[in-house]
Amino acid sequence: TQLLEQSPQFLSIQEGENLTVYCNSSSVFSSLQWYRQEPGEGPVLLVTVVTGGEVKKLKRLTFQFGDARKDSSLHITAAQPGDTGLYLCAGPPRSARQLTFGSGTQLTVLP
Amino acid sequence: SQTIHQWPATLVQPVGSPLSLECTVEGTSNPNLYWYRQAAGRGLQLLFYSVGIGQISSEVPQNLSASRPQDRQFILSSKKLLLSDSGFYLCAWSVMNTGELFFGEGSRLTVL
Repeated sequence: TQLLEQSPQFLSIQEGENLTVYCNSSSVFSSLQWYRQEPGEGPVLLVTVVTGGEVKKLKRLTFQFGDARKDSSLHITAAQPGDTGLYLCAGPPRSARQLTFGSGTQLTVLP
Repeated sequence: SQTIHQWPATLVQPVGSPLSLECTVEGTSNPNLYWYRQAAGRGLQLLFYSVGIGQISSEVPQNLSASRPQDRQFILSSKKLLLSDSGFYLCAWSVMNTGELFFGEGSRLTVL
């Protein structure tokens, strides 16, 4: 079973629309990271959230860490084709010494 | 600034042949180093990590091995490739065990 579940798996929207992707777990995480990956390249870190309830903004991207530190969301406002990519969440569960990754959300923004 | 490079970028190998993927990091000392494998468009599976020269931890028993002959060099190897070894391999470094990861460009391996 996947420790971090991401939803939806695939999302295709038109330019200018808003969207939210989710990263959920039954385990508590001390922090969660979000990465974006473009085809044929390595993932690039977008943000790390650390405190329960924390909200971080990166231009049109808003990241939130759940109060119980078991889930996180990424909201994109007015999506652009450049936002297209695979979005991955990752975190260090208390039971492990290394990061665990979610299965990813593949976002396509159509012009 | 820190940089990470891995090569080759693309590799097509026959079943039963050996494999060597290399990764080097510049601009940092004593990094934690990682090898991940990614199925098409999906999440990352941790294969190996290293906290120092000669120290290798394996997360998933399989046909692959890793070595760290120098502080900033990490090598992924196989003596005999299997079809199931095909995938996108990513090298990464971090400052601490559960810290933020910085990835290389990836190596696409196809085993025929």
